[in-house]
Amino acid sequence: QSALTQPASVSGSPGQSITISCTGTSSDVGSYNLVSWYQQHPGKAPKLMIYEGTKRPSGVSNRFSGSKSVDTASLTISGLQAEDEADYYCCTYASSGIYVFGTGTKVTVL
Amino acid sequence: EVQLLESGGGLVQPGGSLRLSCADSGFAFDLYAMNWVRQTPGKGLEWVSTISGRADSTYYADSVKGRFSISRDKSKNTLFLQLNSLRADDTAVYYCAYGDRRYFQHWGQGTLVTVSS
Repeated sequence: QSALTQPASVSGSPGQSITISCTGTSSDVGSYNLVSWYQQHPGKAPKLMIYEGTKRPSGVSNRFSGSKSVDTASLTISGLQAEDEADYYCCTYASSGIYVFGTGTKVTVL
Repeated sequence: EVQLLESGGGLVQPGGSLRLSCADSGFAFDLYAMNWVRQTPGKGLEWVSTISGRADSTYYADSVKGRFSISRDKSKNTLFLQLNSLRADDTAVYYCAYGDRRYFQHWGQGTLVTVSS
């Protein structure tokens, strides 16, 4: 299984919206509505931000939203804040017990 | 509150072995599939292995298949990962994690494995 493709970096000014893409194939992202997104600050464990494509766990800001179109999932951060500066990873279940992570995106708040 | 605590990491020579542990506190350990995810220093996340709640099914990434073995001890609420035939590219922080379904909601703090001579 090859890693899902994400842009290496995305940046935005405070208050703006940014979108991170996560491109897979018809065998993984395109086959399941099971994409999850993780935020990771330096030196910390990842934190679940979105699961099953569009759902937010309790306690996650509604500024974070997920979507999917065919083989590409997306994470949108609205009203960008300084605390959103972190690395973001997508992940999908890809059948037969296998999971695939994305390559990761560094979000910079200008 | 769910807490996962990994241990067992350290420095090991190429070809050597290590056994990682992940102890839980505060949840129904045997209800959920448990997972290991690793992160190479300065790089991305990689799913390594999953074991079902009943421990009757296990799954591995191609990169570790045949070298790593996942197991769990219900009586001790502990997850294990046996790492054999270690290589330099196995150097990483290893996290245990689980979720209600096919995602990883709860994570440990990670344990560092360094493979070097």
